[in-house]
Amino acid sequence: AQSVTQPDIHITVSEGASLELRCNYSYGATPYLFWYVQSPGQGLQLLLKYFSGDTLVQGIKGFEAEFKRSQSSFNLRKPSVHWSDAAEYFCAVGEADKLIFGTGTRLQVFP
Amino acid sequence: EAGVTQSPTHLIKTRGQQVTLRCSPISGHTSVYWYQQALGLGLQFLLWYDEGEERNRGNFPPRFSGRQFPNYSSELNVNALELEDSALYLCASSLSGVNYGYTFGSGTRLTVV
Repeated sequence: AQSVTQPDIHITVSEGASLELRCNYSYGATPYLFWYVQSPGQGLQLLLKYFSGDTLVQGIKGFEAEFKRSQSSFNLRKPSVHWSDAAEYFCAVGEADKLIFGTGTRLQVFP
Repeated sequence: EAGVTQSPTHLIKTRGQQVTLRCSPISGHTSVYWYQQALGLGLQFLLWYDEGEERNRGNFPPRFSGRQFPNYSSELNVNALELEDSALYLCASSLSGVNYGYTFGSGTRLTVV
């Protein structure tokens, strides 16, 4: 079965610092990969997705992610974090007919 | 364009009761997915409906059920509520298939006391 691992449960960064959230997946074929963000008490918003082609994917809110097949990774990055980026971030892999989510990484941003 | 709408936003039920949650997908989306987000358990896949049919269900007991209507809206029913059913229930819609990514609603917060 497919699985997604987000090794960092909680990350704290200062506003203006760069950010990288890690995601590793287990999937036999070329995966469909996604990053979602969830603000407290809200649903999930799609940040970006990878299906094929260019391994560097640009998303909304200044986020990008890089697919590395050799490392089975799809890490999310942002060059300069804003206080409004504080939220929980979920990586997901598409498995035929549903998304399998990682357990999430909670991002805290200090001024 | 209206997003995915869920109702109610919050509700409190007593153990043993039954509850119905509702979801309206984005116009044009035929697939509706239900997920449970319980504290400490992450997002767990519950059900997938497409074109009025249940296409797949996650590892949940039969007291979790649902349906999809001809207008593609959906209901999730939970019978014989247990305390551990307390969670945020998220509905998402997409064009048929996961390839397009989901659009999520804001969820229904269910508390079972």
